[in-house]
Amino acid sequence: AQRVTQPEKLLSVFKGAPVELKCNYSYSGSPELFWYVQYSRQRLQLLLRHISRESIKGFTADLNKGETSFHLKKPFAQEEDSAMYYCALSQGGSEKLVFGKGTKLTVNP
Amino acid sequence: DSGVTQTPKHLITATGQRVTLRCSPRSGDLSVYWYQQSLDQGLQFLIHYYNGEERAKGNILERFSAQQFPDLHSELNLSSLELGDSALYFCASSVGTSGMETQYFGPGTRLLVL
Repeated sequence: AQRVTQPEKLLSVFKGAPVELKCNYSYSGSPELFWYVQYSRQRLQLLLRHISRESIKGFTADLNKGETSFHLKKPFAQEEDSAMYYCALSQGGSEKLVFGKGTKLTVNP
Repeated sequence: DSGVTQTPKHLITATGQRVTLRCSPRSGDLSVYWYQQSLDQGLQFLIHYYNGEERAKGNILERFSAQQFPDLHSELNLSSLELGDSALYFCASSVGTSGMETQYFGPGTRLLVL
């Protein structure tokens, strides 16, 4: 069964510090992986996905199939990055997203 | 707003009752997904419809049902409500069904069962 694990419920860093939000998955095939973000009082929105290999708002994520991880990183955190972050997995050919339980990131001034 | 819309925003009801949550997808999107978000279970996929037909089912209880209408809006029906059904219910939409597409989420309906 597919599973997404985000080991940290809460993560707190200072502005300007590097940040890494961890995501591990279990899936035997070739997954599609996503990071979704939910800012305060806003709807859930896509931040980035591994197939596009792009950097959004300074965030990047690399799929490591050996470690079955898809950690989200940003070298210099900003206060506006404070939000709830969800890692999600979709198996190829399937439409549903399997979400991790989320990590609440707080960037302190 | 051409994004995903959901009504109502909030719903308070009693155990044993039945409610209907409504979702309108983004213009042009044929797929609608329903998710339940609770404190202990996180975001869980319930069901997916594509162009009026059910495509995938997740952890959806038998007391719950959904449909997608010809105008592509979708309704999630929750019956014989229990306290544990209190949660945030999200709808999302996407263009197709490839699994690699971005899903666009609505603001959610917060259901409280008393």
